[in-house]
Amino acid sequence: EVQLVESGGGLVQPGRSLRLSCTASGFTFGDYAMSWFRQAPGKGLEWVGFIRSKAYGGTTEYAASVKGRFTISRDDSKSIAYLQMNSLKTEDTAVYYCTRGGGYDDSPFDYWGQGTLVTVSS
Amino acid sequence: DVVMTQSPLSLPVTLGQPASISCRSSQSLVYSDGNTYLNWFQQRPGQSPRRLIYKVSNRDSGVPDRFSGSGSGTDFTLKISRVEAEDVGVYYCMQGTHWPPSITFGQGTRLEIK
Repeated sequence: EVQLVESGGGLVQPGRSLRLSCTASGFTFGDYAMSWFRQAPGKGLEWVGFIRSKAYGGTTEYAASVKGRFTISRDDSKSIAYLQMNSLKTEDTAVYYCTRGGGYDDSPFDYWGQGTLVTVSS
Repeated sequence: DVVMTQSPLSLPVTLGQPASISCRSSQSLVYSDGNTYLNWFQQRPGQSPRRLIYKVSNRDSGVPDRFSGSGSGTDFTLKISRVEAEDVGVYYCMQGTHWPPSITFGQGTRLEIK
């Protein structure tokens, strides 16, 4: 069974950093791209970024709202995707979800984690 | 960025009746590989999003066959043939064709039981 479990959320002050983890199981992690999305309280869904599999260079893409502040990485040996968030702003407050796949996959975003809440506040 | 416009934004439906949600994109969603990367997601209250339909009309495993997706180019539709209580939630369309710069979602349609 495919499972994605996000962790690392919490309360953080503006300007500080936080790293989220997405631990995957039930599939060959290294074969897949991984994506991050977020949802501010009471709002809709927003794409954050994406990391390709190593077979496609392991390169990343980001939404304009987080580019230069957020970094996605992966550790295929541990089946974990990371979202490093720096220079956090109050508007980054949201539930953050990781998903399997992305790009022009045959079946992108087919599995989602339960989400982890990040609250940016002084 | 490609703008995705859903309608209606609120959808009260009687149990057992059909429902339909429209999603329009500001540009054609046909990619150079011939595929159209238009997906539909359901988010039940308090839950994570769940993909229902991918590439316009492919229903995910475990999704009841009362859900169907259709459309082409810039106009897409999610239909529920007979609404059940478990269908309450917010439905989002999402385009994955034109990115970067960004994958984009519709505003969401809130389905409720009348």
